[in-house]
Amino acid sequence: NAGVTQTPKFRILKIGQSMTLQCTQDMNHNYMYWYRQDPGMGLKLIYYSVGAGITDKGEVPNGYNVSRSTTEDFPLRLELAAPSQTSVYFCASKGGQASTEAFFGQGTRLTVV
Amino acid sequence: GENVEQHPSTLSVQEGDSAVIKCTYSDSASNYFPWYKQELGKRPQLIIDIRSNVGEKKDQRIAVTLNKTAKHFSLHITETQPEDSAVYFCAARGANAGKSTFGDGTTLTVKP
Repeated sequence: NAGVTQTPKFRILKIGQSMTLQCTQDMNHNYMYWYRQDPGMGLKLIYYSVGAGITDKGEVPNGYNVSRSTTEDFPLRLELAAPSQTSVYFCASKGGQASTEAFFGQGTRLTVV
Repeated sequence: GENVEQHPSTLSVQEGDSAVIKCTYSDSASNYFPWYKQELGKRPQLIIDIRSNVGEKKDQRIAVTLNKTAKHFSLHITETQPEDSAVYFCAARGANAGKSTFGDGTTLTVKP
């Protein structure tokens, strides 16, 4: 039981490049989330999903896209990377609506230069 | 939307002392309040949580209190140890159980 797995762990992008951050969970959780954490700051919600085929915007969605074609996977797409997207990205999941604890992946440290 | 403020941003205590971190929230519909601990370079992990129908919850050396009227909740750590050094985040989640709003975190340093 791996929990929430994110790949890659580290990545350096050039301005204008695109990439996909992968997130997969093996707990059959319905809810999945993408957060970004800037240095010294809290977690800001980018996008979330309450189940396969359903996604919704969080607090800071601009510059990102997501899809949820399966329960397990919730990839985050960055188009036209900008220096402002330099951050640590965390994927998380939780069970149902009444479920409490959110389980986090180990994070992806992204630098845009 | 929900707004969560967390204080202090940094806290330094001597080993064995108590530490208190406070959070306020804006949405009276929020009904679930978790606390996460994040060690340097690692993922956030849930350490304790409280629902709005409870005023206090304790788990060994950590406790959380909730004042719904004032819309604030606090994390209390007693008999602090160096391994308690980390960043602590509070969060609030409302009726739309999909989303939690996080505070900006408190960096706790426990000096041996």
